[in-house]
Amino acid sequence: DAKTTQPPSMDCAEGRAANLPCNHSTISGNEYVYWYRQIHSQGPQYIIHGLKNNETNEMASLIITEDRKSSTLILPHATLRDTAVYYCIVRVASGQNFVFGPGTRLSVLP
Amino acid sequence: DAGVIQSPRHEVTEMGQEVTLRCKPISGHDYLFWYRQTMMRGLELLIYFNNNVPIDDSGMPEDRFSAKMPNASFSTLKIQPSEPRDSAVYFCASSFTGYTEAFFGQGTRLTVV
Repeated sequence: DAKTTQPPSMDCAEGRAANLPCNHSTISGNEYVYWYRQIHSQGPQYIIHGLKNNETNEMASLIITEDRKSSTLILPHATLRDTAVYYCIVRVASGQNFVFGPGTRLSVLP
Repeated sequence: DAGVIQSPRHEVTEMGQEVTLRCKPISGHDYLFWYRQTMMRGLELLIYFNNNVPIDDSGMPEDRFSAKMPNASFSTLKIQPSEPRDSAVYFCASSFTGYTEAFFGQGTRLTVV
């Protein structure tokens, strides 16, 4: 019973920004939004997480709407190596597990 | 840090045999998770530990599956007897606390024939 909704697939041109949306309309006040990605045959890789403020790290930016019902992961300059399945996860910060939905399959095209 | 280390990377076994998957979490991490990934069901949690104690094993499919964490640096997932429907990729992950991100190993691809 994943608490998030993501498009099943997206394409992005190499060098352009990839904007991956996620809906989490039932998110609670104490739930964080996490993003992971999984490149074929590898383990899921942590990207970024946030509560209500926008976050940025060396991999990506996370934009969370003011009502916290949706968010967008931004890869500023997508490369072919960013082709992967991207998972948006809502999780209470109290030791519960990460529930993975089907995610978005991002294809970065040359 | 070498990250979460799983062994073996690949395992092929015959139906009915015992299979043991191993995981070494990142040093200092208090939480350890075992996940299974199949095409049909995606990534699903099997069990997780906190300070070597199993906290939630509701995802363990049946009694043929068991997991242990004898110390902070080692965990095993055992399937006895194995069946073809157990074929999947099994991931181990660890996190520093319940408030931080989890880091995943490279997985063990299990094939039961």
